[in-house]
Amino acid sequence: DVKVTQSSRYLVKRTGEKVFLECVQDMDHENMFWYRQDPGLGLRLIYFSYDVKMKEKGDIPEGYSVSREKKERFSLILESASTNQTSMYLCASRPLQGAGGANVLTFGAGSRLTVL
Amino acid sequence: QKEVEQDPGPLSVPEGAIVSLNCTYSNSAFQYFMWYRQYSRKGPELLMYTYSSGNKEDGRFTAQVDKSSKYISLFIRDSQPSDSATYLCAPQGPNTGFQKLVFGTGTRLLVSP
Repeated sequence: DVKVTQSSRYLVKRTGEKVFLECVQDMDHENMFWYRQDPGLGLRLIYFSYDVKMKEKGDIPEGYSVSREKKERFSLILESASTNQTSMYLCASRPLQGAGGANVLTFGAGSRLTVL
Repeated sequence: QKEVEQDPGPLSVPEGAIVSLNCTYSNSAFQYFMWYRQYSRKGPELLMYTYSSGNKEDGRFTAQVDKSSKYISLFIRDSQPSDSATYLCAPQGPNTGFQKLVFGTGTRLLVSP
């Protein structure tokens, strides 16, 4: 069964800490994404990567950075965590060309981060 | 104007009811209309999608698109407690290179036994 795995399901961090969220996919997908999901706001794109070492800002990149050194791994970094970054973080991936023309994302189970 | 509008709910129905979940969108270039289902404390997973206008049926689920009114619907027949989840609509353009994907905020559905 193909998968996107987020290693940390629940994290509690303190304000100012550096936080790493890891995501690994085993589908050989070119594109990978980081979203955050908040009640009433839905999914908001933080960063995406269309290939190894390539990254592009999404809608809300402030306070975040990413790293993609290998095709299967996409990391989200919070340089100095703040309370307004308390959220559910979702990683997703998709192949470069979607079957039948549709872009289908495969999501991980999510990482719920609480910043105190 | 948001690209996709979706009532957040919650929508509470008894088991066996017919459920209608809806979205409106503003971009007439959208051609694929996805529905994702998200169980509590899980990531979204693709439920089904349609291309252009019309209906598509998959078991108890029917997706319907009316491009003239920019209206997307998901119908669930004989709803079950296991259908309790948040449903997100995600209209999108054709797969021509990279594109930003948009999602509705999701409608939370509760099916009681």
